[in-house]
Amino acid sequence: DVKVTQSSRYLVKRTGEKVFLECVQDMDHENMFWYRQDPGLGLRLIYFSYDVKMKEKGDIPEGYSVSREKKERFSLILESASTNQTSMYLCASTPGGINTEAFFGQGTRLTVV
Amino acid sequence: KQEVTQIPAALSVPEGENLVLNCSFTDSAIYNLQWFRQDPGKGLTSLLLIQSSQREQTSGRLNASLDKSSGRSTLYIAASQPGDSATYLCAVRNRSGGSYIPTFGRGTSLIVHP
Repeated sequence: DVKVTQSSRYLVKRTGEKVFLECVQDMDHENMFWYRQDPGLGLRLIYFSYDVKMKEKGDIPEGYSVSREKKERFSLILESASTNQTSMYLCASTPGGINTEAFFGQGTRLTVV
Repeated sequence: KQEVTQIPAALSVPEGENLVLNCSFTDSAIYNLQWFRQDPGKGLTSLLLIQSSQREQTSGRLNASLDKSSGRSTLYIAASQPGDSATYLCAVRNRSGGSYIPTFGRGTSLIVHP
């Protein structure tokens, strides 16, 4: 079974802190994605990566950055956390190619106080 | 830009009913469509994946159909049970740069009451 693991289920951080959310997949997938999910807004794509050291902005990249130094790990970084970044963060991965399934981690509920 | 709409946004039914959840998308140049289930506070669990060349996929009591030309998919749940209560999301994949991006609808929140 494919496993996508997010480092924390719940996080509470203070405004202005630098926050790292980690995601690791164990199936050698090329593509990895970070979404945030908010009530009434659904899942919105923050950043994605289709290869090591490659990254592309999604729909809402402002206030976030990412790092992909190794194929299995994709990190989301909040440079200076703000209360409007309180959300559920979901990581996903897919193999290369078009006829492939997306697999998700269990989610990280981040609260910024 | 791809937009995905799911109707209804919420549904409450008695146990045993057969039900249909709808998903529509604006750009028909998709590669595949995937249905997910999400329990409260949890991640997404994949239910069914339909390739663009396929018309339907079945898994147990679930059947998903795809009409790519009209930009629609339906998820049919037979003989619903309280354990089916969850939010159901559909996602379509289009090409963007070097990757194939899943775009999600906002989901249908389903409650099946005994």
